[in-house]
Amino acid sequence: DGGITQSPKYLFRKEGQNVTLSCEQNLNHDAMYWYRQDPGQGLRLIYYSQIVNDFQKGDIAEGYSVSREKKESFPLTVTSAQKNPTAFYLCASSMGYSNQPQHFGDGTRLSIL
Amino acid sequence: QKEVEQDPGPLSVPEGAIVSLNCTYSNSAFQYFMWYRQYSRKGPELLMYTYSSGNKEDGRFTAQVDKSSKYISLFIRDSQPSDSATYLCAMRKGNNRLAFGKGNQVVVIP
Repeated sequence: DGGITQSPKYLFRKEGQNVTLSCEQNLNHDAMYWYRQDPGQGLRLIYYSQIVNDFQKGDIAEGYSVSREKKESFPLTVTSAQKNPTAFYLCASSMGYSNQPQHFGDGTRLSIL
Repeated sequence: QKEVEQDPGPLSVPEGAIVSLNCTYSNSAFQYFMWYRQYSRKGPELLMYTYSSGNKEDGRFTAQVDKSSKYISLFIRDSQPSDSATYLCAMRKGNNRLAFGKGNQVVVIP
């Protein structure tokens, strides 16, 4: 089945620790995205990538980093600089054409220990 | 002014009723419009995707776009308890980026 796989489903971070969230897609999509979802705030874009080895900051990139070394993979690192990391993180992908919708994975919930 | 306004609800309806959800937007350059359904602890699932002003039907779901009023709607006919979820509107702005509403929680009571 084609789709977007995010792992792990739940993740706990200690103070001062960096953690990495995985996102893999087998849809052959060119573009991938990371969003953060907080209660009452909707989805906010963290980073996005339209092609391999290239990515752009979204609206709330501070405290996060990404890489795009393979078309299928777009991992997100939540660094210790992100002071309020507790949230639901969603990865999405889309075809490279601008009129194609985004499709989402099932998310990773990150909490602070 | 926010890019997309969506009343968060919650909206409770009896089973079989019509559910009506709305979003307004501020930027007339938005062209493609989407509705996503999100169950608790899951990712959003694409329900409807439209471009033109007018109506688009898919089973019990109808998406309506009025570009002149900058207003989109989603109607769910014969609502079922399985329709209980949060519904997000979204619209494409530049560079493949989307602007999202905050989501509207719907509860269908058996």
